[in-house]
Amino acid sequence: ETGVTQSPTHLIKTRGQQVTLRCSSQSGHNTVSWYQQALGQGPQFIFQYYREEENGRGNFPPRFSGLQFPNYSSELNVNALELDDSALYLCASSLPGGTYEQYFGPGTRLTVT
Amino acid sequence: LAKTTQPISMDSYEGQEVNITCSHNNIATNDYITWYQQFPSQGPRFIIQGYKTKVTNEVASLFIPADRKSSTLSLPRVSLSDTAVYYCLVPRLNYGGSQGNLIFGKGTKLSVKP
Repeated sequence: ETGVTQSPTHLIKTRGQQVTLRCSSQSGHNTVSWYQQALGQGPQFIFQYYREEENGRGNFPPRFSGLQFPNYSSELNVNALELDDSALYLCASSLPGGTYEQYFGPGTRLTVT
Repeated sequence: LAKTTQPISMDSYEGQEVNITCSHNNIATNDYITWYQQFPSQGPRFIIQGYKTKVTNEVASLFIPADRKSSTLSLPRVSLSDTAVYYCLVPRLNYGGSQGNLIFGKGTKLSVKP
């Protein structure tokens, strides 16, 4: 069984640019959540996708957007990058049903200069 | 969502039992308590989940008193590899039965020394 994978591993962008991060969910998982983790902080919930629809959003501006595809993989897009967007971006997938066990990928380290 | 409070850091030595307590005073009737572990430069990993009394798995035990306003994660005989950040969460199930959103605090940084 393949776990959650994310690409790229590391990324360096300039302020004002746009970035797309990708996530492949674990087999059979139809829910994908994205989190932002700044250094020394816990992960902060960005949004969640369930059956290709956004199903909950945290306190992030509209320039953070996402997609979920029919195979349940997902993308996180960030427009007009700011220095404060530098962080580890984590994707997590989960099984259908009522458990709270989310399977996290290794993350993408984004640096904005 | 139930707010959680846990110590910022804890130190221990190899072979000791470690207990990390989390308070969640406004937990709702249907809420479960969930703990995650995170190593540096990795995503968090689910450890254990419980509703009441005691839950045990191969990694840890979770003790929840009758009023459910707190919970204690117990790690038996820790080793150096247990050095990590431990998060206590009380997720809320979204409408439609999908996964609850996980709201992480700063967690408890556990340092295990030789």
